[in-house]
Amino acid sequence: DQQVKQNSPSLSVQEGRISILNCDYTNSMFDYFLWYKKYPAEGPTFLISISSIKDKNEDGRFTVFLNKSAKHLSLHIVPSQPGDSAVYFCAASEDFGNEKLTFGTGTRLTIIP
Amino acid sequence: DAGVTQSPTHLIKTRGQQVTLRCSPKSGHDTVSWYQQALGQGPQFIFQYYEEEERQRGNFPDRFSGHQFPNYSSELNVNALLLGDSALYLCASSFGQRLNQPQHFGDGTRLSIL
Repeated sequence: DQQVKQNSPSLSVQEGRISILNCDYTNSMFDYFLWYKKYPAEGPTFLISISSIKDKNEDGRFTVFLNKSAKHLSLHIVPSQPGDSAVYFCAASEDFGNEKLTFGTGTRLTIIP
Repeated sequence: DAGVTQSPTHLIKTRGQQVTLRCSPKSGHDTVSWYQQALGQGPQFIFQYYEEEERQRGNFPDRFSGHQFPNYSSELNVNALLLGDSALYLCASSFGQRLNQPQHFGDGTRLSIL
């Protein structure tokens, strides 16, 4: 049972435009959500997170939106840059991050110069 | 400020052998979690160690075991290796008692079983 789903395996976006990556979850006990970015031959790098008590969190070019009623979150990157090309993983946890992380299967983002 | 470090980077073993992977957490972190990432999948949680005890365990057989040392570093041991154990093994560290703190990952150990 896949509790965290990323339904788009890949996404291509023109440089300078907005990239929107989506993630859905089924477990209503999740209360902390994270996005990680992964380059080949490296471990996942933490990007941004959001607690269930918020619906938006922003850090520079990255914004995460959380819609609890729809059990949906999204990552917006604006403007997109070539260095953003990577695989992006959505992850979720219970107990505000003190429990294990459950990951989606990832979305490969390609920024076209 | 050193991040999470893992060793070795790559490892090749044969079926039935045993392997030990090592992890040093990010400075100041006291909790270590291990994940297995198969090709094309997201990382799957194996177990988590805090205060030298296994605090939480994922759906992995007893062939997978671990340990945490007083300096917070950790080992992952896998016995009776199977072909299906070929994967990237990731270690992550975090603060055990603080809320809304992300886990930080090392670059992983690539394990290949022949």
